Amino acid sequence: SQQGEEDPQALSIQEGENATMNCSYKTSINNLQWYRQNSGRGLVHLILIRSNEREKHSGRLRVTLDTSKKSSSLLITASRAADTASYFCAPYPGGYQKVTFGTGTKLQVIP
Amino acid sequence: EPEVTQTPSHQVTQMGQEVILRCVPISNHLYFYWYRQILGQKVEFLVSFYNNEISEKSEIFDDQFSVERPDGSNFTLKIRSTKLEDSAMYFCASRYGTDTQYFGPGTRLTVL
Repeated sequence: SQQGEEDPQALSIQEGENATMNCSYKTSINNLQWYRQNSGRGLVHLILIRSNEREKHSGRLRVTLDTSKKSSSLLITASRAADTASYFCAPYPGGYQKVTFGTGTKLQVIP
Repeated sequence: EPEVTQTPSHQVTQMGQEVILRCVPISNHLYFYWYRQILGQKVEFLVSFYNNEISEKSEIFDDQFSVERPDGSNFTLKIRSTKLEDSAMYFCASRYGTDTQYFGPGTRLTVL
């Protein structure tokens, strides 16, 4: 299975702190995508990093990718209460294949 | 920004009834997917669709399920005879090439 496994399963931080979530996967990828899901809502795409990229930024998000270790990390800087959600990494193998989801990291940002 | 849309947002049905969940993928996308998420559980893949045929399906996607792209814009998931355990949030997704896979907001299906 190409699903990502996120770590930690849960993370609780104070508003303004940084949050780091990690992802590991098993086989080769074309790219890796990160998604956010607020409770009971849809999956919002955050950022995509390609296999030939090592780091990517988008606003307060920073994603790294280490294909040799088959791992990725998502850093949210200066967190806000509105960042409270579950975060998923989704390794994408290529072609028509789907992204698959692990259990995610549940982030709670305390105001 | 283009988005995937889904209707209805919430569907309530009686056990044994047929339901059709509708999705409008992003217009130039080529790959289409259905996923579901039972309350409190992870998002599970159901089926992928490319070039007017199913390219992959999971064990969940049995004979009670079918997909169709009837008119080049809509993408539907039909459940022929719903069961209580089909109650879940159903997500449609689409993608162009190797780019981002975009998800719709979901349809919450409640089977009574």
